[in-house]
Amino acid sequence: DARVTQTPRHKVTEMGQEVTMRCQPILGHNTVFWYRQTMMQGLELLAYFRNRAPLDDSGMPKDRFSAEMPDATLATLKIQPSEPRDSAVYFCASGTGTGDQPQHFGDGTRLSIL
Amino acid sequence: AQSVTQLDSHVSVSEGTPVLLRCNYSSSYSPSLFWYVQHPNKGLQLLLKYTSAATLVKGINGFEAEFKKSETSFHLTKPSAHMSDAAEYFCVGYRDDKIIFGKGTRLHILP
Repeated sequence: DARVTQTPRHKVTEMGQEVTMRCQPILGHNTVFWYRQTMMQGLELLAYFRNRAPLDDSGMPKDRFSAEMPDATLATLKIQPSEPRDSAVYFCASGTGTGDQPQHFGDGTRLSIL
Repeated sequence: AQSVTQLDSHVSVSEGTPVLLRCNYSSSYSPSLFWYVQHPNKGLQLLLKYTSAATLVKGINGFEAEFKKSETSFHLTKPSAHMSDAAEYFCVGYRDDKIIFGKGTRLHILP
């Protein structure tokens, strides 16, 4: 079964450090999504890309977060500098076409900022 | 404004009894609608999808959902709950490049 792969699965770091999360979408998928999930806020869409171009990043705090797709097989989400309130599980998902197609989720990166 | 509302944050049912998870959407025209399930420490998994081809949509693991335009509802049902159905369920809408998640319903299965 094709899967979305996220690395690392867990990350613990100190406040102020740069954090990079990586996502390998399913081969052939041209749409990539980044989500954040916390107990308090639930699941939030941070950004999504189609054909490597950002389509909607309105959910992402622009001052410290950045999302890119250096190539079709890699998506990255960076936080710099990180803050304790960024502690969450970050999910990547991929799909085909537009957002009206099913999304395939990775198992997430659990991030803890001390 | 478009929105997706899951009417219950928690639902508890006994094993073997029917499941009903409620979702209402707000839109002036029919969106694409999905139900996803999330088991602990896992990403979301697609259960089913509605895109106007048929109002009754069958999904995986015995789940189905019926789109009712007059009620702007897309409720998820299953005739008989199993312990493995305990999870969180998300109703999701899509229209005009906007993806809207409901806040989720946690389903508890009582033995």
